[in-house]
Formats: sequence, C-alpha cells, structure tokens
Amino acid sequence: EIVLTQSPGTLSLSPGERATLSCRASQDFGSPYLAWFQQKPGQAPRLLIYDISSRAAGIPDRFSGSGSGTDFTLTISRLEPADFAVYYCQHYSSPPITFGQGTRLEIK
Amino acid sequence: QVQLQESGPGLVKPSQTLSLTCTVSGASISSGNYYLNWFRQPAGKELEWIGRIHTDGSARYNPSLASRVTMSIHTSENQFSLKLNSVTAADTAVYYCARRKYLDPFDQWGQGTLVTVSS
Repeated sequence: EIVLTQSPGTLSLSPGERATLSCRASQDFGSPYLAWFQQKPGQAPRLLIYDISSRAAGIPDRFSGSGSGTDFTLTISRLEPADFAVYYCQHYSSPPITFGQGTRLEIK
Repeated sequence: QVQLQESGPGLVKPSQTLSLTCTVSGASISSGNYYLNWFRQPAGKELEWIGRIHTDGSARYNPSLASRVTMSIHTSENQFSLKLNSVTAADTAVYYCARRKYLDPFDQWGQGTLVTVSS
C-alpha cells in the first residue's frame, strides 16, 4: 500500500498570497496517477488536478500541480477567499487507492 | 450529465449490517468500461477507499475491510450497492460513491450520506 504524507497539516495565508502544498509518497509508484482534491465542509471532494499536473475541467489556471517520483506539489498562485478549504492528494493507479491526511488552508 | 446519489439508513446498530445504494442517472451503469467505487470519511479525517466493482461484476476491496465488505451491481435499476457487516462505532462516517474508467481520475462523485453506528 502506498502511504501519502501531506505537509503542512495547516497553512495560514492571506488572500492574494501563494500557497504551496506538499505530498510525499512512501514509494515511487512509477506512474503519473496522482491527483489533488479540494473539499469544503459538507461537500464531496472536488477534483482539481490529475495525472500530477493536468487541470480538471473548469479549474482555473491559478491551480497547478507538479512533481515526480515520491514528491508532489500543489501550488495556488493567488489565493482567493473561495480557495480556503482542505486539500487532499490521492494515488489512483492500482488498488488500494489511498489519500493523504489533508492540508487545511485557512485564512490568516 | 452523469449524477450519482447515495441512499440508505442513516443509523445502524452495532454488530448489524450497513447497506447503501448508489443510483446512477444520466448514463447506463452497464455501458462502458467503468469501475464503481465506494469511499468513506469519518468526521475530521481523510477519505478511505472501501472498494470497487466493475460493470462485469468483478470486485476488489480494501484489504483493511475486505472480510466485512460485499459490493453488488444491479443493472436493471441502474444501481450498485455496498454492504458492510459487523459494524462498530468506528464505521461511523460519510459514505460516498464514485464512478470512473480504469486509470481515469475520480471526477464523478455522489454528494455523500452520513451513516452513524449507535445503539
């Protein structure tokens, strides 16, 4: 099973600032099947990024993904008020599919 | 547009069986090479993959839950279901269904349904 570890646990920033969220895998799973989700209270996860760096439909270009091997990053270039939420990375190639424990992005 | 909707009892007693159904609308559940998945999320915690069933009926489960899980597909009703037996308070969570093609990302989710295990 691939374990994903996200950091930091909580990130406090102001609107307009840049957010950098990290996701580290316990092993190189040798495929690009790494996704990022945004989740707000009471809502289902919303796909932001798939295949490490591809934006899902309707996702603004302020959101970008990068990385390789075991280290992956979600960057939000200019935070807007709607961006403050919990973010999860997910590995989705072979079962079991796993998620990181999440990074809470809060308004400073 | 494809929509998924979970349904089932919101309260289950300890040691009993949790049963949920996911209804797919906007597409035939048996068309295409789709995997139908269940996830859950305890309050304040991360998402956990429970398992998946293919449209051909083959299933694969998370090893941590495999001894208690059964998934089924009900083609005529355009639904798939989850049964989790011998539940405890640790199974209290919001349960989500989701659909995807093999190695595609998870972009189709239900809204989730809260199941509480309590006497």
